[in-house]
Amino acid sequence: DQQVKQNSPSLSVQEGRISILNCDYTNSMFDYFLWYKKYPAEGPTFLISISSIKDKNEDGRFTVFLNKSAKHLSLHIVPSQPGDSAVYFCAAIHSYSGGGADGLTFGKGTHLIIQP
Amino acid sequence: AAGVIQSPRHLIKEKRETATLKCYPIPRHDTVYWYQQGPGQDPQFLISFYEKMQSDKGSIPDRFSAQQFSDYHSELNMSSLELGDSALYFCASSSVLTGRGTGELFFGEGSRLTVL
Repeated sequence: DQQVKQNSPSLSVQEGRISILNCDYTNSMFDYFLWYKKYPAEGPTFLISISSIKDKNEDGRFTVFLNKSAKHLSLHIVPSQPGDSAVYFCAAIHSYSGGGADGLTFGKGTHLIIQP
Repeated sequence: AAGVIQSPRHLIKEKRETATLKCYPIPRHDTVYWYQQGPGQDPQFLISFYEKMQSDKGSIPDRFSAQQFSDYHSELNMSSLELGDSALYFCASSSVLTGRGTGELFFGEGSRLTVL
């Protein structure tokens, strides 16, 4: 059962326009959400995150929106640049205190292609 | 800045053989994670270690084992290899200061295992 779903395997956007990548989750215990960016032959790179107590987090051209009631989050990239072409993974975690660590649950990724 | 180092980058093995992957986390990171990414799949969490103790276990087969050593490097041992074990294996690290528990992991470039 896929707890984190990215329903669009690929997305093509013109340079300078807005890219919107979507992600849905089913586990209500998730309380922290992240986006990772992955280029071919490289490991995923952390991009931006959001805590479940917020509904928006912005970092430069990247903004993540969280709709808890809909169990949906989205990543907006404005303006889109050629270097943004990569696979974007949505990930979620149930964080907890008191030591130990948990693993991320990833979506299957969306391949973003920025066209000149 | 130092990143997560994985070795070997590429490994080719025959069925039923054994393979060992190594991971050297970022200095002062206390948590190491192993992920497996099959072709066209999302990264699947295998196992994690915090301060040299196993912390969390995901979808790691019984044929696989892992440990974290006193210098914090980790090794993933895979025995009785099967064709389906062919995948990209990522190691990631984090520390309590950089978001352990909130998923801000730093990934290595991965080790590609091919089982023939």
